Amino acid sequence: GAVVSQHPSRVICKSGTSVKIECRSLDFQATTMFWYRQFPKKSLMLMATSNEGSKATYEQGVEKDKFLINHASLTLSTLTVTSAHPEDSSFYICSARDRVVTGELFFGEGSRLTVL
Amino acid sequence: GENVEQHPSTLSVQEGDSAVIKCTYSDSASNYFPWYKQELGKRPQLIIDIRSNVGEKKDQRIAVTLNKTAKHFSLHITETQPEDSAVYFCAAILSSGAGSYQLTFGKGTKLSVIP
Repeated sequence: GAVVSQHPSRVICKSGTSVKIECRSLDFQATTMFWYRQFPKKSLMLMATSNEGSKATYEQGVEKDKFLINHASLTLSTLTVTSAHPEDSSFYICSARDRVVTGELFFGEGSRLTVL
Repeated sequence: GENVEQHPSTLSVQEGDSAVIKCTYSDSASNYFPWYKQELGKRPQLIIDIRSNVGEKKDQRIAVTLNKTAKHFSLHITETQPEDSAVYFCAAILSSGAGSYQLTFGKGTKLSVIP
């Protein structure tokens, strides 16, 4: 099946710094990528939908200035957590929609962010 | 918008027994229903999916049924094994060739298979 790669898998940073997470579709073109946040033992919470070449659409309650999303190409979307604080510590996962096979979603490995 | 309810939130079964997880959705326009298995700290993995023009799909020990009229779909795992223990998520997706794409996940079911 299609592969989505997410990097880094783990990151520890100091409070106040910014962290960038990359999501790449390795063998297909993804017009749409999704970013989720997952708290321990909880469901996936959709943060934003990232469309190639246009601004991301954020879910209600998600600060767009805090979580910057860029989808510059059909294979890469990035999530930047700006001025990170300990409460931003979480598991962040991306998924990508295969533009050819309508509807199918493929997930990245996830990135565990710890803010000290 | 779409609302997906998933039950139960936790499920324990004896090894070899069957497990059933149910989801209901609210938007009759949703047309794609995948199920994901997520092990602790790992990515969700698609295990089976069904589209709205099909009522049932089976893949070895896993099956999914869809009742469009009642707007619910279920995951069935037979002959459960300890390695089936994980969190399972359902999702309802509205996907069109014109580019419209809306997805909603259920809250997940933690399945524990007891040896």
